[in-house]
Amino acid sequence: GEDVEQSLFLSVREGDSSVINCTYTDSSSTYLYWYKQEPGAGLQLLTYIFSNMDMKQDQRLTVLLNKKDKHLSLRIADTQTGDSAIYFCAEIGHSSASKIIFGSGTRLSIRP
Amino acid sequence: DTAVSQTPKYLVTQMGNDKSIKCEQNLGHDTMYWYKQDSKKFLKIMFSYNNKELIINETVPNRFSPKSPDKAHLNLHINSLELGDSAVYFCASSQDISTNEKLFFGSGTQLSVL
Repeated sequence: GEDVEQSLFLSVREGDSSVINCTYTDSSSTYLYWYKQEPGAGLQLLTYIFSNMDMKQDQRLTVLLNKKDKHLSLRIADTQTGDSAIYFCAEIGHSSASKIIFGSGTRLSIRP
Repeated sequence: DTAVSQTPKYLVTQMGNDKSIKCEQNLGHDTMYWYKQDSKKFLKIMFSYNNKELIINETVPNRFSPKSPDKAHLNLHINSLELGDSAVYFCASSQDISTNEKLFFGSGTQLSVL
């Protein structure tokens, strides 16, 4: 079945770049997503990438996709305290029957 | 205006009780979902409705019954609550069933079963 994996924790210094990694198993994935969850709130879509793209940049966010290795990453440049949250990788593919599969989430904490 | 709203935000109840969580979206979306997030933040889909029709029904106990009176509402009724039902339940919606489903989430209902 489909599986999406992420490391659970990441700690970075304020102003540095954060890189959150994700691996997935469904080779038919069409879209891959990054969602952000702040404390006490629901998930919010940050960005997404179509599977035929290698990279997508949106202001401080850069998404890199290595389809051969089924590896997705989210880079946050100039990390700020407001970036503290849990970041979820997610994918949808033909075999998902319109069902988005989420990773376990990476908790990003920022140290001064 | 809140796009996806769910009530209540907190629900504390005794084992064995029956409770409901309501969800409404004002985005004009066709598809709505219920997700369960456990204490480790793992998020798992429970149900999905498209235009009031059930399209995804994961291996969820029969005690959980979703109801969609119209495409803007998807409520979740839980019978005979158990300790293991304690979690945060998220409602979400998307434009339709497509290969690029951007989900819009409610702020969650934290259910505590004592």
